[in-house]
Amino acid sequence: DVKVTQSSRYLVKRTGEKVFLECVQDMDHENMFWYRQDPGLGLRLIYFSYDVKMKEKGDIPEGYSVSREKKERFSLILESASTNQTSMYLCASSTHLWNTGELFFGEGSRLTVL
Amino acid sequence: KQEVTQIPAALSVPEGENLVLNCSFTDSAIYNLQWFRQDPGKGLTSLLLIQSSQREQTSGRLNASLDKSSGRSTLYIAASQPGDSATYLCAVNSSYKLIFGSGTRLLVRP
Repeated sequence: DVKVTQSSRYLVKRTGEKVFLECVQDMDHENMFWYRQDPGLGLRLIYFSYDVKMKEKGDIPEGYSVSREKKERFSLILESASTNQTSMYLCASSTHLWNTGELFFGEGSRLTVL
Repeated sequence: KQEVTQIPAALSVPEGENLVLNCSFTDSAIYNLQWFRQDPGKGLTSLLLIQSSQREQTSGRLNASLDKSSGRSTLYIAASQPGDSATYLCAVNSSYKLIFGSGTRLLVRP
């Protein structure tokens, strides 16, 4: 079974802190994604990566950056956390980008910024 | 611009009932459509993936159909159980990313 692991299920941070959200997949997938999910707004794509050291902006990249130094690991970085970044963050991976194959999600990281 | 709609937003049924969840999309030029299940506070679990060339996919008590020309997909759940209670989301892939519907929250009453 594909496994996508998000290291932190729950985080509480203060405004202005730098936040790292880590995601690891164990199926050698080329593509990895970061989404945020908010009530009434659904899932929105923040960033995605189709190869090591490659990244592309999604629909809402402002205030975020990403890092993909190894194929299995995709990190989401909040350089200076703000209260409007309180959300559920979901990492996902898949095998095919342009004709995206099945998408597999992690358990999510619920971030609260005070 | 692709838009995905799921109706109803919420559904409550007694255990044992067969039910249908609906997903509609505005642009028929899609690569595939995927159905997910999400339990409260958890991530999404993939249920079924239908490629654009396929009409339906089945997994256990679940059957998903796809009609691209009308922009519709349905998820049929047979003999529903309380454990099926969750939010069900459909997502359409019409480029390099998925467009998600807002989900149908299903409650199966014992």
